[in-house]
Amino acid sequence: AQKVTQAQTEISVVEKEDVTLDCVYETRDTTYYLFWYKQPPSGELVFLIRRNSFDEQNEISGRYSWNFQKSTSSFNFTITASQVVDSAVYFCARTQGAQKLVFGQGTRLTINP
Amino acid sequence: DTEVTQTPKHLVMGMTNKKSLKCEQHMGHRAMYWYKQKAKKPPELMFVYSYEKLSINESVPSRFSPECPNSSLLNLHLHALQPEDSALYLCASSQVAAGYGYTFGSGTRLTVV
Repeated sequence: AQKVTQAQTEISVVEKEDVTLDCVYETRDTTYYLFWYKQPPSGELVFLIRRNSFDEQNEISGRYSWNFQKSTSSFNFTITASQVVDSAVYFCARTQGAQKLVFGQGTRLTINP
Repeated sequence: DTEVTQTPKHLVMGMTNKKSLKCEQHMGHRAMYWYKQKAKKPPELMFVYSYEKLSINESVPSRFSPECPNSSLLNLHLHALQPEDSALYLCASSQVAAGYGYTFGSGTRLTVV
């Protein structure tokens, strides 16, 4: 199976610390898309970012930034100056074929006040 | 309108009951999905509908029966479920292909007793 691996099961930091969530993926596809989703306790999966396999530019959106390195098949996510509201489970995902998203196991992030 | 609406939010059913989960979107998306998520696990794909036709069935037991009456609606009919089917059932939609990214609903939390 072509896996998406999020090696960090749980991370706990103190508010205002920076935190990086790791994601490594396997794929045989030439063209694919990568995603990060946030799942708060309410259950809904909230879209954070989409990146296609040809676009290796890093992206910054407010306190969030993403580092895509195709050479190492990694798509890491950094939260700068974390806040309690960032506490959630974060999933990395990639497309498999045209219609399927394959998710990593998720990283549970707890930001303590 | 950028929402996927799922009803009901919570459902408790007996193993001999028949119930249905409903999902609605008005974003003009032509692909709709059912995912199942067990506690502390990532979402797992169950079914994909593309242009109202079933395009992927991930070997889901026949006690789960999907239906797509039109491009905005997706149902999941449940019959003779087992306690191990208790989970969060998530509906999602996308512009035809998964590479555009999914918009998820907030899910139906199902308990089978």
